[in-house]
Amino acid sequence: EPEVTQTPSHQVTQMGQEVILRCVPISNHLYFYWYRQILGQKVEFLVSFYNNEISEKSEIFDDQFSVERPDGSNFTLKIRSTKLEDSAMYFCASSEPGRVSNEQFFGPGTRLTVL
Amino acid sequence: AQRVTQPEKLLSVFKGAPVELKCNYSYSGSPELFWYVQYSRQRLQLLLRHISRESIKGFTADLNKGETSFHLKKPFAQEEDSAMYYCALKSLRRGSTLGRLYFGRGTQLTVWP
Repeated sequence: EPEVTQTPSHQVTQMGQEVILRCVPISNHLYFYWYRQILGQKVEFLVSFYNNEISEKSEIFDDQFSVERPDGSNFTLKIRSTKLEDSAMYFCASSEPGRVSNEQFFGPGTRLTVL
Repeated sequence: AQRVTQPEKLLSVFKGAPVELKCNYSYSGSPELFWYVQYSRQRLQLLLRHISRESIKGFTADLNKGETSFHLKKPFAQEEDSAMYYCALKSLRRGSTLGRLYFGRGTQLTVWP
């Protein structure tokens, strides 16, 4: 069964450094998402992406964040200058186009630790 | 504002006992609700959605618009049901089909032998 994959599984970085989290969505999916979960808190929506542009973003997704689909398979989340409070588990998700009740399939997550 | 509330952080039952995981929501539009499950060291996966009105692994959930609830129930819990359960509400912007999910904080269910 096809799955969403994410790399790396764990990323440690210094405050102020740039990080890129990578996701490979399910191949026939065209809707992509990023969520994050700070330890002990809720899973929070960051951004949705379709047709090479952001469809919706939350208040968390400020100018330090960007997303890109650099090729036909990858979907990336970049944090330009990481802060301590960016430490969280980041989940990528994808869904099929066209159906309103389309299920979002989640990746296993990348644990980002900012020191 | 959209909100999903799961009042219980932890829930423990014995095998064979009924289990109910509570979920309440607030949403101004017509809600679309889901239960996701995360087994130990695994990814979030969809358990069921209210529009399907299905039973998955013996679990059911009924949307009660009057009480703004979507509680997850199973009449006889099994040890393999031990997991983190998240209730989620899908919010759609006008003209969009992508939607964003609002999650509750999750309930950790432990089923003892």
